[in-house]
Amino acid sequence: DIQMTQSPSTLSAFVGDRVTITCRASQSISSWLAWYQLKPGKAPKQLIYRASNLQSGVPSRFSGSGSGTEFTLTINNLQPDDFATYSCQQYSTSTWTFGQGTKVEVK
Amino acid sequence: EVQLVESGGGWVQPGRSLRLSCTASGFTFGDYALAWVRQAPGKGLEWVGFIRRKAYDETTEYAASVKGRFSMSRDDSKSIGYLQMNSLKIEDTAVYYCAREKTGLDFWGQGTLVTVSP
Repeated sequence: DIQMTQSPSTLSAFVGDRVTITCRASQSISSWLAWYQLKPGKAPKQLIYRASNLQSGVPSRFSGSGSGTEFTLTINNLQPDDFATYSCQQYSTSTWTFGQGTKVEVK
Repeated sequence: EVQLVESGGGWVQPGRSLRLSCTASGFTFGDYALAWVRQAPGKGLEWVGFIRRKAYDETTEYAASVKGRFSMSRDDSKSIGYLQMNSLKIEDTAVYYCAREKTGLDFWGQGTLVTVSP
């Protein structure tokens, strides 16, 4: 199975900061990568699909980039609502895998 | 409005079975594959498996951790997907989510908690 490694595990930031989360695949997944936002008690929310495509309704301060084995999620001008956990997911093969998650917390 | 609602979670003893349901509304259920994802307490998301739509013979894929114990099915006439969980283990304790598959998982339910404990 393809392993997905996210870094960092935890990230401390201020409102207004720009934050970047990295996700690395153990082998090439082309652009078959999605990013999700997780909050306790709520349905996970897809932010990005196909590595760089913004899901409808997601604020433009979120962006994704990368292909092959290295990907990034960037949040510009971090807002209070953005403090959450973020997880990447590959869907390149018929067995999918998630990264372990990155918690973005208030500094 | 797209909605997915999981049900059927609860407490169960190790070795027993449980069936979860995922009731969909707001879209043509039969046009999409349906996935199940779980999150154990304090852990990240773990993909459980998915069931393709009828056009792909409703074939299924499973994570190695559940293969042979869990099975998925769907009833497109009722817009419901099912996750049958047999031979449950303590490590299956998690919140279970269903999600619609479209370029990844574009809509998710809020999840149902399954607790496996003696």
